[in-house]
Amino acid sequence: DVKVTQSSRYLVKRTGEKVFLECVQDMDHENMFWYRQDPGLGLRLIYFSYDVKMKEKGDIPEGYSVSREKKERFSLILESASTNQTSMYLCASTLSYEQYFGPGTRLTVT
Amino acid sequence: GQNIDQPTEMTATEGAIVQINCTYQTSGFNGLFWYQQHAGEAPTFLSYNVLDGLEEKGRFSSFLSRSKGYSYLLLKELQMKDSASYLCAVRDSTKAGGYNKLIFGAGTRLAVHP
Repeated sequence: DVKVTQSSRYLVKRTGEKVFLECVQDMDHENMFWYRQDPGLGLRLIYFSYDVKMKEKGDIPEGYSVSREKKERFSLILESASTNQTSMYLCASTLSYEQYFGPGTRLTVT
Repeated sequence: GQNIDQPTEMTATEGAIVQINCTYQTSGFNGLFWYQQHAGEAPTFLSYNVLDGLEEKGRFSSFLSRSKGYSYLLLKELQMKDSASYLCAVRDSTKAGGYNKLIFGAGTRLAVHP
């Protein structure tokens, strides 16, 4: 069974703080993704990675960066959190076509 | 542009059949997915259609017409536990880093009542 875990289910941060969201998968998948999910907008791709140290911008990369130092771990970084980054963040991984999602992190920036 | 449309909300009765439609306009196409997402949980994979026609999997079926840019998810013998959001996603054939990106619709929230 594929397992994708995220470091926190709920997180509250202040404006301007640096925020790290971590994602770990245990199936040796090469491709990993970070999405945010907002009501009425669906899942939007922030960044993805197709190999260690490789990353590609998704549709909404502004205000975010990522790190993939090991195959199983993909981190999303908010350099200076802002209130418009309050959202549900979902990590996913895939080997070929089906994406497996983590449980999500609900981030609130106050 | 890229656009995926699906109804925002639907309601249905336990035991009935419901069809959730999805229309798409994308720059490339390499398959269409349906995911189920219960409130507060991760999306889980339901189906993947890459060729035209109907794919049946138990109580759930998914249909694709590539020429019409149209898909539907059919849920039969509805149960209360089927109350969830259903996400339509298109795999864009434009490759970046060797991978086909998924583009998601906003989701359809289905409420099943007794």
